[in-house]
Amino acid sequence: AQSVAQPEDQVNVAEGNPLTVKCTYSVSGNPYLFWYVQYPNRGLQFLLKYITGDNLVKGSYGFEAEFNKSQTSFHLKKPSALVSDSALYFCAVRDLNRDDKIIFGKGTRLHILP
Amino acid sequence: DAGVTQSPTHLIKTRGQQVTLRCSPKSGHDTVSWYQQALGQGPQFIFQYYEEEERQRGNFPDRFSGHQFPNYSSELNVNALLLGDSALYLCASSLTGQEQYFGPGTRLTVT
Repeated sequence: AQSVAQPEDQVNVAEGNPLTVKCTYSVSGNPYLFWYVQYPNRGLQFLLKYITGDNLVKGSYGFEAEFNKSQTSFHLKKPSALVSDSALYFCAVRDLNRDDKIIFGKGTRLHILP
Repeated sequence: DAGVTQSPTHLIKTRGQQVTLRCSPKSGHDTVSWYQQALGQGPQFIFQYYEEEERQRGNFPDRFSGHQFPNYSSELNVNALLLGDSALYLCASSLTGQEQYFGPGTRLTVT
């Protein structure tokens, strides 16, 4: 069965510092991976996705994610954090070889300190 | 180009009642998925509609049902509401197999 783990409930980073939000996944076939962001009282906004190709994927708002097949990880990164990046971040996975159902992690709250 | 829209924004219902939530997909999208997001949790997949049929279903009871119309819009119906059904209900649209775009959600409170 597909699953996603986000091991940190909250990540605190000083403004201007690099940030990493961790995600590991489990699928039986090839993974289709996503990151979404949720601001208070809002729906989820798509940030980036990985299907195949270059392991470093660039997305919206300066975010990028690194796919590591051997470690089954898809960590979200940004070189320099902004206070406006403070939000709830969700990693999600779909098995490319199976159905269209997307499984979400429980989320990581990112808090950027001014 | 309008994104995904959902109505109503907020809803308060009493235990045992029935509720209908509505979703209009992003222009050009043919697939609609529904998720339940409880407080402090990630979205949980309820079901997905494509070509007016339920294509996939998550671990939700039959009290949760849906419909997709010829214009690709969709409804989520929940019967015999329980307190535990209180959550943010998210609709997402996509072209089949592609990334999903989410609406702002409907906040359902069951008292």
